[in-house]
Amino acid sequence: GQNIDQPTEMTATEGAIVQINCTYQTSGFNGLFWYQQHAGEAPTFLSYNVLDGLEEKGRFSSFLSRSKGYSYLLLKELQMKDSASYLCAARENTGFQKLVFGTGTRLLVSP
Amino acid sequence: GAVVSQHPSWVICKSGTSVKIECRSLDFQATTMFWYRQFPKQSLMLMATSNEGSKATYEQGVEKDKFLINHASLTLSTLTVTSAHPEDSSFYICSARGHILTGATGELFFGEGSRLTVL
Repeated sequence: GQNIDQPTEMTATEGAIVQINCTYQTSGFNGLFWYQQHAGEAPTFLSYNVLDGLEEKGRFSSFLSRSKGYSYLLLKELQMKDSASYLCAARENTGFQKLVFGTGTRLLVSP
Repeated sequence: GAVVSQHPSWVICKSGTSVKIECRSLDFQATTMFWYRQFPKQSLMLMATSNEGSKATYEQGVEKDKFLINHASLTLSTLTVTSAHPEDSSFYICSARGHILTGATGELFFGEGSRLTVL
């Protein structure tokens, strides 16, 4: 099975940098995904890591350490529209390659 | 990115009735579709995985006779909530993936979600 932990809520101010951490324990691992979800909407894909290291995509970066079962999503130059839930998800490396989601981190960006 | 369409977006029904939700991949063939349920302020809980032409695989604790899943073609999967009750009220989201070896990551593409309210 899989166990994925991330903080429930975080707050930050516009223009700041915030790091959302995620730890995972899996019986089989084939990649770590981050999704953004605004209230009442479906999740949208942000980033993917399968090898150790940092992947940068504009204002968003994601890091993975497979040996530590750890990932983080880094958001720079925060904007009000970044207020959303951020979901960490681990993909199994067996069968249907399911994505198992963490509880999500609700980020509130204030002026 | 690939487009997944889900219908209906909103549905209100009476207790005891059945509701069907459709999930379509519009511009790719979805070898695998996943159905999730999400309660307010909670994360997505995987209900079942469906492959075209075969029976769905349900997660532990999900009643297969209550949540009927049909994946009749490579572009369509349906979820039918049978004999719905108020506790079934939730946000149901489908997702689809093409061949995992195509594309950069094999990420899931999500439908818009269907909000079910059972009175």
